[in-house]
Amino acid sequence: QVQLVESGGGVVQPGRSLRLSCAASGFTFSSYGMHWVRQAPGKGLEWVAVMWFDGSNKYYAESVKGRFTISRDNSNNTLYLQMNSLRAEDTAVYYCARETVAGYTSSPFDPWGQGTLVTVSS
Amino acid sequence: EIVMTQSPATLSVSPGERATLSCRASQSVTTNLAWYQQKPGQAPRLLIYGASTRATGIPDRFSGSGSGTEFTLTISSLQSEDFAVYYCQQYNNWPPERTFGQGTKVEIK
Repeated sequence: QVQLVESGGGVVQPGRSLRLSCAASGFTFSSYGMHWVRQAPGKGLEWVAVMWFDGSNKYYAESVKGRFTISRDNSNNTLYLQMNSLRAEDTAVYYCARETVAGYTSSPFDPWGQGTLVTVSS
Repeated sequence: EIVMTQSPATLSVSPGERATLSCRASQSVTTNLAWYQQKPGQAPRLLIYGASTRATGIPDRFSGSGSGTEFTLTISSLQSEDFAVYYCQQYNNWPPERTFGQGTKVEIK
């Protein structure tokens, strides 16, 4: 079945770095745009970043631009989020999510991974 | 950036009653609007896309309507499993940011 599994979360000090991974299975990963979405404790959903299916384009929320980098390895069906210069306000559950439609078409997210918790604290 | 605004923040409804949730976009998103349901400790689940099309496996008590900047999610007869937080999201081609509303919590009255 179609599945996304995030990993790499944990506790990290402010100013340090962390890399999240999202392992995809059950579909042709290289055909779909992929996103990261985060949710701070008790708060709503915040879109973080997108990478086109072929890696040709990537975009970021203003809140993470210049600090976070999205990337993908289509040969290993894995999406990444490199997070640098972490701040307390980056504390959240981070979800990866797939577009529902393959290719360049913009579409909603389905499925989502189960999420991985990142806690930024000294 | 397209700003999505949901109302109300919290909706208190009795089981079996109808719930109506609203979502407004700061500019037209045509029908590029999705609704998600999220229960505590779980990832969001896609309910509605294209403003009015139910996703696979979603019961027909869930319905969506609207276009442009005004959208509505209606749950015709609330079941116990429907008490959750609901988010709207726009997915216009441009700009590429896929903004969410702040959510509406549907709670038991």
